[in-house]
Amino acid sequence: GAVVSQHPSWVICKSGTSVKIECRSLDFQATTMFWYRQFPKQSLMLMATSNEGSKATYEQGVEKDKFLINHASLTLSTLTVTSAHPEDSSFYICSARDPSWVGELFFGEGSRLTVL
Amino acid sequence: AQTVTQSQPEMSVQEAETVTLSCTYDTSESDYYLFWYKQPPSRQMILVIRQEAYKQQNATENRFSVNFQKAAKSFSLKISDSQLGDAAMYFCAYRTIIQGAQKLVFGQGTRLTINP
Repeated sequence: GAVVSQHPSWVICKSGTSVKIECRSLDFQATTMFWYRQFPKQSLMLMATSNEGSKATYEQGVEKDKFLINHASLTLSTLTVTSAHPEDSSFYICSARDPSWVGELFFGEGSRLTVL
Repeated sequence: AQTVTQSQPEMSVQEAETVTLSCTYDTSESDYYLFWYKQPPSRQMILVIRQEAYKQQNATENRFSVNFQKAAKSFSLKISDSQLGDAAMYFCAYRTIIQGAQKLVFGQGTRLTINP
């Protein structure tokens, strides 16, 4: 199957700083990537859909100015958590759709953010 | 809006035995995909099995099979000959087949424990 890689896998930052998480499709071009947030022992919650070359589409209740998404190329989407606060601490997961694999999304390894 | 419900927060099974995880969903669409994903302690989401709604035949992948009841909107996962490596969170997911809104909606998850 296709490979999606996230970086960093774990990041700790101070409150008020910004953190960038990268999501790369390694062996396919992804016109669409998705960003999820997962709280401990809970399910994945879709935050936004990242579209290459255009603005991301955010789910209801997700602050677009807080969670900046950029999909500048067909293999890279970034999620920047701006002015992070402890309540932003979570596990963030990206996924990408490989057009050649109909109906399937491939997931990154996830990134754990801890805001002190 | 589509919803996915997993009514079993936790399940356990003896090694080598068979276990069935339940999933129901709500949708007004006639064509869609259903998935079971596994999330082991590493947190990497792994596709276990998928089912296209237009296919009447239940999907099978080695020890994993589904019981897809479209009229009842039920999509259960059966794991045969359970192995210790099957221990994980299992998420049922729904995805619309409409090109413009390809989002995965996840259930709450079922934590599966394998007893040696």
